Amino acid sequence: GAVVSQHPSRVICKSGTSVKIECRSLDFQATTMFWYRQFPKQSLMLMATSNEGSKATYEQGVEKDKFLINHASLTLSTLTVTSAHPEDSSFYICSALQGEATDTQYFGPGTRLTVL
Amino acid sequence: GDSVTQMEGPVTLSEEAFLTINCTYTATGYPSLFWYVQYPGEGLQLLLKATKADDKGSNKGFEATYRKETTSFHLEKGSVQVSDSAVYFCAPYLGNLIFGKGTKLSVKP
Repeated sequence: GAVVSQHPSRVICKSGTSVKIECRSLDFQATTMFWYRQFPKQSLMLMATSNEGSKATYEQGVEKDKFLINHASLTLSTLTVTSAHPEDSSFYICSALQGEATDTQYFGPGTRLTVL
Repeated sequence: GDSVTQMEGPVTLSEEAFLTINCTYTATGYPSLFWYVQYPGEGLQLLLKATKADDKGSNKGFEATYRKETTSFHLEKGSVQVSDSAVYFCAPYLGNLIFGKGTKLSVKP
């Protein structure tokens, strides 16, 4: 149990276009999901916390107008990178909390974004 | 502020060698402690966790004990395998998960 999927696994786009990444909890409902960004050979940086039915909470320094997060259902959160630029190229990973009274996050397999 | 310090890698071991990856943290209170593993090209997988002092988390031959006195959560395995080659992240839960920088482990046959 506790499987989280992401789609797509890899995406290449042109500079200036927008890209949507989906994060789904496959066998449980996730009130809270998280979006992380990972640079090569570095740790994960929390970008935002996504709560179902409400606005996401962004970490300091993360542009909320550039990284749009929607958590429309208990099993799906989306991250849209708007007007992507080469510096947005990165590995984006989502995670989900299984239940509310828990601190254990289950992670998706990640999405490799390359902006040309 | 809250932080986590993890042993820097890369660590290269021969198969069946003993592994220790050190992890210490600073925090107010007693957070739950996690180890996550990231295999090449993949996302993170929960390896083990401990929620209170003296708890021992274990999975796949890996163990880590929650040491309140030393605020540590060192990861150990008695006999590593080539398939254990990955990056290991220590992460206390302090409102959110705070990830260490990761330790890359390479196990040679």
